[in-house]
Amino acid sequence: NAGVTQTPKFQVLKTGQSMTLQCAQDMNHNSMYWYRQDPGMGLRLIYYSASEGTTDKGEVPNGYNVSRLNKREFSLRLESAAPSQTSVYFCASSELRGAYEQYFGPGTRLTVT
Amino acid sequence: AQSVTQPDIHITVSEGASLELRCNYSYGATPYLFWYVQSPGQGLQLLLKYFSGDTLVQGIKGFEAEFKRSQSSFNLRKPSVHWSDAAEYFCAVVPVGANNLFFGTGTRLTVIP
Repeated sequence: NAGVTQTPKFQVLKTGQSMTLQCAQDMNHNSMYWYRQDPGMGLRLIYYSASEGTTDKGEVPNGYNVSRLNKREFSLRLESAAPSQTSVYFCASSELRGAYEQYFGPGTRLTVT
Repeated sequence: AQSVTQPDIHITVSEGASLELRCNYSYGATPYLFWYVQSPGQGLQLLLKYFSGDTLVQGIKGFEAEFKRSQSSFNLRKPSVHWSDAAEYFCAVVPVGANNLFFGTGTRLTVIP
């Protein structure tokens, strides 16, 4: 039982490049989330998926897209990376949309130069 | 403005000493309240939560938190800190009528021998 896994762990991109961050959970959770963590700002919600087949914007969705591929997987895509997207990205999941105990992955550290 | 505030950016305590981390919120109605911990290089883990009822909440790893409505606070405490408690601690809320977690900026705890 791996919980929430994220790939890659580290990534360096040049401005304008694209990439997809992958997230998978094996807890049969319905809801999944993408956060970014910046120094002095805590975690901010980018997008979430309340259930398979649905996605919604969080606090800071601009510059990102998501795909809920199936119940297990929720990916985050940067179409044209910008230095402002340098951050640590966390994926999380919870049993239900209103079940606030979220389980977090180990994070992806992304640097955009 | 609605917010969750952690006034202390960094706290240093000696091993075996007691600990109190502060969290204040500013919402019209009492939100759901949470404390999460992030160990170095790891994702976040839920320590404890408060929805209603008894204002003293017990969590994992020997932590507890006390909800004080009059002070709009939800401070985290531990009677005797262990070196393994060195981590970053986040207070989080779910405002009434919302479904998302909103995080404070975090308090980094250093434990000295």
